[in-house]
Amino acid sequence: AQSVAQPEDQVNVAEGNPLTVKCTYSVSGNPYLFWYVQYPNRGLQFLLKYITGDNLVKGSYGFEAEFNKSQTSFHLKKPSALVSDSALYFCAVRDNTNAGKSTFGDGTTLTVKP
Amino acid sequence: DAGVIQSPRHEVTEMGQEVTLRCKPISGHDYLFWYRQTMMRGLELLIYFNNNVPIDDSGMPEDRFSAKMPNASFSTLKIQPSEPRDSAVYFCASSSPVWGTEAFFGQGTRLTVV
Repeated sequence: AQSVAQPEDQVNVAEGNPLTVKCTYSVSGNPYLFWYVQYPNRGLQFLLKYITGDNLVKGSYGFEAEFNKSQTSFHLKKPSALVSDSALYFCAVRDNTNAGKSTFGDGTTLTVKP
Repeated sequence: DAGVIQSPRHEVTEMGQEVTLRCKPISGHDYLFWYRQTMMRGLELLIYFNNNVPIDDSGMPEDRFSAKMPNASFSTLKIQPSEPRDSAVYFCASSSPVWGTEAFFGQGTRLTVV
């Protein structure tokens, strides 16, 4: 079985400050890890993913995430937050024996204040 | 490609009526997923298809829900009869057969059952 935990329902940061949105996972095999963002009244949009290789992956809009196998974590980060980053963020995991189904976390609402 | 296309964007119906949601996946994608999003339960996977065949329907809430994929470019999710607790945003997503690829989501259908 695979599972994802996003321990924070809400993250608040000031514009210009660094942000972190946390994600931990559990899979039976090697993980494929994803971050998606959802803006109001929109579908989920892909941000970045870890498949293999370098533990630090870079994605859209200046976001990056670090894969930590020992801590089974895949935290989303950005050095300097923008008000426009305010949205709902989802972490997802799939094990490498399953080409299809991903498991999503419950989501974290990020609010960036001016 | 225009992305994953869902219709209608909004649907308001009376309790007891049949509702059909439609989805056109991205061409070449052979995985198709139906999700439901509510404030209370978050993002739930209802069912997914591979090459038009249902693989896992364990998330379908009850017999009132059914999904079909008659060909590679079209899928439907039907609720009959509808109930107020079915009110939610329903998303369709598709992904390619390449291992480790992300899912592409449609804009969603906001269903309100009164």
